[in-house]
Amino acid sequence: AQTVTQSQPEMSVQEAETVTLSCTYDTSESDYYLFWYKQPPSRQMILVIRQEAYKQQNATENRFSVNFQKAAKSFSLKISDSQLGDAAMYFCAYFIIQGAQKLVFGQGTRLTINP
Amino acid sequence: NAGVMQNPRHLVRRRGQEARLRCSPMKGHSHVYWYRQLPEEGLKFMVYLQKENIIDESGMPKERFSAEFPKEGPSILRIQQVVRGDSAAYFCASSPGTSGRSVHEQYFGPGTRLTVT
Repeated sequence: AQTVTQSQPEMSVQEAETVTLSCTYDTSESDYYLFWYKQPPSRQMILVIRQEAYKQQNATENRFSVNFQKAAKSFSLKISDSQLGDAAMYFCAYFIIQGAQKLVFGQGTRLTINP
Repeated sequence: NAGVMQNPRHLVRRRGQEARLRCSPMKGHSHVYWYRQLPEEGLKFMVYLQKENIIDESGMPKERFSAEFPKEGPSILRIQQVVRGDSAAYFCASSPGTSGRSVHEQYFGPGTRLTVT
């Protein structure tokens, strides 16, 4: 079965500090995309960052970066210089390029930022 | 360029009534996906549609649920004879559907929160 596991239901971090959210996934496919989505209290799903599985270089978007370990099927998100506006649910997801055209999501991690 | 639009944002139905959720994809997008989010859970795929075609409905319950994406107008997710367990947030996403790797870019609407009383 294709699954995504986020082992941290909740995380908290002090403002301006760095936090890492974990994600592991299980697929037998070799060509896929990985994503982190943010869901603030407004419930809007916002794409934070994406990673193509064929790329070895880790993706970076401003304060957000990933640590992609393909062999270990691990895809963690690092948030640097945490800001109050980063408080949200964070969902890890993947998408198989040649296959079912759907995103498979993890259960989410609730991130709290302490001022 | 307006984003994905969903309406209504909130919908309250009594048990046994019908719920109709609408989704207008981004301009130029021809692929639509519906996902359901139960409280404190991640999003679960329901159905994938292209104009006038259902491509994959493997995540949709076999009874009471249906979806369409007509040639003209929004995509509709229809739930007949709603039950309390249908209470959830329903999200629509759209993608360009062009060839190449951009087909994976899914843009989400704000969701419809359905409450069944």
